[in-house]
Amino acid sequence: DTGVSQDPRHKITKRGQNVTFRCDPISEHNRLYWYRQTLGQGPEFLTYFQNEAQLEKSRLLSDRFSAERPKGSFSTLEIQRTEQGDSAMYLCASSLTGTDEYGYTFGSGTRLTVV
Amino acid sequence: GQSLEQPSEVTAVEGAIVQINCTYQTSGFYGLSWYQQHDGGAPTFLSYNALDGLEETGRFSSFLSRSDSYGYLLLQELQMKDSASYFCVDTGGFKTIFGAGTRLFVKA
Repeated sequence: DTGVSQDPRHKITKRGQNVTFRCDPISEHNRLYWYRQTLGQGPEFLTYFQNEAQLEKSRLLSDRFSAERPKGSFSTLEIQRTEQGDSAMYLCASSLTGTDEYGYTFGSGTRLTVV
Repeated sequence: GQSLEQPSEVTAVEGAIVQINCTYQTSGFYGLSWYQQHDGGAPTFLSYNALDGLEETGRFSSFLSRSDSYGYLLLQELQMKDSASYFCVDTGGFKTIFGAGTRLFVKA
């Protein structure tokens, strides 16, 4: 197992464009999380999947953001009509139910720059 | 609201012991986790306290007091590679809330 993979590592886009990020979790992990992190801050929770079901979505997340996890494996996060304020590191993490003592495994993130 | 407070920066010398404190104000608290993040890297899980008391993992120890809504991370025998940001995290089921992080500078 190679851990949590995220693609792309970096994305530069023009304001108003749509972007999509992909996350491949650890294969046996049924929980998948998306976070956003800006410089000097801790990761901010965006959304959570258990298997293919999206069970929670942050109220901070606007309607321009959508996430999917078809078949309960990889996940995609799409941002429509990007704004400069969307510039951040987008982190994906995965875990297995009932294993809080082992924590989450994070991917290396996708750094989004909106120009 | 839910929040976790931790110092923004701590500086210590190589070989020393440093303690990073965290106080939390959250509802539905399950436990407190700690993560390390080097510049440009992914957060890495260090420890988890569900019960009051001290958990030890090598050079790192973590403590939780539910009655005081307080915890800390203790790093012993500091090494230069320990220079990083450290986050306390309210591990409340599926919805984890991260603190803003403490940046640790280890000096030679």
